[in-house]
Amino acid sequence: GDSVTQMEGPVTLSEEAFLTINCTYTATGYPSLFWYVQYPGEGLQLLLKATKADDKGSNKGFEATYRKETTSFHLEKGSVQVSDSAVYFCAHGGRNTGFQKLVFGTGTRLLVSP
Amino acid sequence: DAGVTQSPTHLIKTRGQQVTLRCSPKSGHDTVSWYQQALGQGPQFIFQYYEEEERQRGNFPDRFSGHQFPNYSSELNVNALLLGDSALYLCASSPAEGKDTQYFGPGTRLTVL
Repeated sequence: GDSVTQMEGPVTLSEEAFLTINCTYTATGYPSLFWYVQYPGEGLQLLLKATKADDKGSNKGFEATYRKETTSFHLEKGSVQVSDSAVYFCAHGGRNTGFQKLVFGTGTRLLVSP
Repeated sequence: DAGVTQSPTHLIKTRGQQVTLRCSPKSGHDTVSWYQQALGQGPQFIFQYYEEEERQRGNFPDRFSGHQFPNYSSELNVNALLLGDSALYLCASSPAEGKDTQYFGPGTRLTVL
């Protein structure tokens, strides 16, 4: 069935380090792909998205590329800040059926220290 | 422009009780989806409403029901609460019959004792 697999956390980095959070998915057809971020005690905020193969989503220095051949959508940032500490969720949403039911991974907690 | 709003913020109930959670979608959005997020887990899809009808449902029992009103706001009802229903309940709205990105509210934290 449809699923999303993310790397286990927590990911612990020092400020200005390079970040990669791996995400792979299984889905029917060609779903849209998303990264959402959740800060403590809050709901989910859309970070970036990509709707077709080879698209690159980017926002706030984060980026991810839709790789159909490897069914992956890895999140990267060149230089993390303490304020990036949060839980990051990779998700896919079906497009072929005319609406989007999001399927989420279990989340990856990022901890950035000064 | 207000985003997705949910009420209440927190709720404490006991086993066997019933609960109603409320959601107002972002302006211009006509589709509302509900998700359950257990502690330390990713959100799980409960169901989606469009044009006041349930359009798709996830793997949740009939104790979970919903409603969408003509102004697109929505309610999630859970009957016969179980301890395992304790979670953060997230509402998400999207425009264009749900064919676009979903935007989430802050959630309602439900604790069942």
